Amino acid sequence: GAGVSQSPSNKVTEKGKDVELRCDPISGHTALYWYRQSLGQGLEFLIYFQGNSAPDKSGLPSDRFSAERTGGSVSTLTIQRTQQEDSAVYLCASSRGQSTGELFFGEGSRLTVL
Amino acid sequence: GENVEQHPSTLSVQEGDSAVIKCTYSDSASNYFPWYKQELGKRPQLIIDIRSNVGEKKDQRIAVTLNKTAKHFSLHITETQPEDSAVYFCAASPTSGTYKYIFGTGTRLKVLA
Repeated sequence: GAGVSQSPSNKVTEKGKDVELRCDPISGHTALYWYRQSLGQGLEFLIYFQGNSAPDKSGLPSDRFSAERTGGSVSTLTIQRTQQEDSAVYLCASSRGQSTGELFFGEGSRLTVL
Repeated sequence: GENVEQHPSTLSVQEGDSAVIKCTYSDSASNYFPWYKQELGKRPQLIIDIRSNVGEKKDQRIAVTLNKTAKHFSLHITETQPEDSAVYFCAASPTSGTYKYIFGTGTRLKVLA
């Protein structure tokens, strides 16, 4: 596609429910990142995928968070047993990988946990 | 791991004045330092970046300086315009191994007309 696509754009859920957020990166980009942006806050690193290498999960805040990337393309971020503090915008980004370079961000998925 | 600190958190300048945003980083392995601009309700976009083999880079009204010894880098915007109003994020990443970009907490720049 023309850019990084994320879905859903908005998600409202009840505390304790599980949610899945999807990211479709730019075709051919081997690196994929998930960041969390709380209201008025910075970009908090969550997880990074590079090709077929093991992902860097060092930013995941708890074991309720997990992510996978199937076939080196689409990624899903799963939050189990959601808490109110999980409310934020979840941003996905992709890059050509193999070296540093521009990150292309999606529009984000806004999660609200009631 | 890497930690990036960014100051100030908010900055107001008069149109036409200059704006400076500063960042410090902790990991000496970081060699790539991009700056992203996020307009209200939009996605962050790269505006300029610098690698550790240079001390300064300019692109029209925007410039970035890097002091690797002191582990700090700065964004300079000259002749500010209302459309420069946005949140600016600095970031740091190593250029080998894991290309994990760690971002600063952002600076909300407001250019007053």
